[in-house]
Amino acid sequence: DAGITQSPRHKVTETGTPVTLRCHQTENHRYMYWYRQDPGHGLRLIHYSYGVKDTDKGEVSDGYSVSRSKTEDFLLTLESATSSQTSVYFCAISDRGQDSPLHFGNGTRLTVT
Amino acid sequence: AQSVTQLDSHVSVSEGTPVLLRCNYSSSYSPSLFWYVQHPNKGLQLLLKYTSAATLVKGINGFEAEFKKSETSFHLTKPSAHMSDAAEYFCVVSATSGTYKYIFGTGTRLKVLA
Repeated sequence: DAGITQSPRHKVTETGTPVTLRCHQTENHRYMYWYRQDPGHGLRLIHYSYGVKDTDKGEVSDGYSVSRSKTEDFLLTLESATSSQTSVYFCAISDRGQDSPLHFGNGTRLTVT
Repeated sequence: AQSVTQLDSHVSVSEGTPVLLRCNYSSSYSPSLFWYVQHPNKGLQLLLKYTSAATLVKGINGFEAEFKKSETSFHLTKPSAHMSDAAEYFCVVSATSGTYKYIFGTGTRLKVLA
């Protein structure tokens, strides 16, 4: 299995608080992705990174920001959590982007009360 | 722009009968296509991938998929369903140039009846 670690695995937080999720990889892959999974929607892309300090928006980026200061770490921040951001968040990595498959972390279950 | 449509949100089959999960895609560039499986409360596992080589792609656990450019389809099949195939399946498209995005379909939940 690809070396991808997401932390925390579970988190409960209150509306209006900031939350940061971390994705750490040991594969030295260039491309990293954050998705959220909700019933009936599949996985939707939030943000992705194509290199250190290089990031771009996905389909559902409002209310989220990301940072990538090192190849191995990709952080997802909810600036002010809302109940609509209750979801399961998956980090994924790819070595070439585009034609190489994604490898996924085990996910973070976030509940915003 | 890329998009992917999984035509059935739920599919039920009897054990031992064939499985067909349908996927249509749209892409401005030559696409790469993938199928992933997610068992209940588990992560996502790659089943197979198409990246412009052979149009018939074989994957793990007896699954295969055929890329049909004229129909913009990439349907997933298996000759004989097993109880352990019960899971959610996702079709994914990425373009071979212009973007690094991978876009998921909304998923098909496969139920296998004994």
